[in-house]
Amino acid sequence: EVQLVESGGGLVHPGGSLRLSCAASGFTLSTYWMNWVRQAPGKGLEWVANIKQDGSEKYYVDSVKGRFTISRDNAKNSLYLHLNSLRVEDTAVYYCARGGYSESSLPRYWGRGTLVTVSS
Amino acid sequence: QSVLTQPPSASGTPGQRVTISCSGSSSDIGSNTANWYQQLPGTAPKLLIYSNNQRPSGVPDRFSGSKSGTSASLAISGLQSEDEADYYCAAWDDSLNGWVFGGGTKLTVL
Repeated sequence: EVQLVESGGGLVHPGGSLRLSCAASGFTLSTYWMNWVRQAPGKGLEWVANIKQDGSEKYYVDSVKGRFTISRDNAKNSLYLHLNSLRVEDTAVYYCARGGYSESSLPRYWGRGTLVTVSS
Repeated sequence: QSVLTQPPSASGTPGQRVTISCSGSSSDIGSNTANWYQQLPGTAPKLLIYSNNQRPSGVPDRFSGSKSGTSASLAISGLQSEDEADYYCAAWDDSLNGWVFGGGTKLTVL
């Protein structure tokens, strides 16, 4: 059974940093593109970033370019999202989602998410 | 503001058929497949329809999807109370090189 479990969320001040983790199980992480998608409180879904199987390609939504970094450690079955220079508008539940074999493969399996709150 | 456009709300009575629309552009739905997610209150999104009209295993055939040009639709027939949820359309965007979503439609079963 595919399982994705996010962790690392919490309360952080504007300008601060955080590292989110996603523990993957039930499949071979190195086979798939992986994604981060976020959802602000009471709002819709927003794709944040994705990363190729070997980490050699990464894509980001414009609003986080230069501030967030997606990475992965296939040996540890883990996906990460490094959040820097955080803004109030980055407050959201962050979901880890498994893609497929290409960058445009649909995020099919999702974790339960971890809440990031940016507030002074 | 979301790239894909959905009505913010929809409603129906048990047993009815409801449809939810999703409007995009040539770089997203127009050149890629449309997909739909269902999000029950307090839970993560669940894939409902992929590749315009395909249902993952376990999704009832009451749910169906279609696409025409730069628009897509989700239809739910035989509406049930447990269908009350938020529904999101999604597509890959070739110009943004990323996934785009609709703003979501809150379905209320009256």
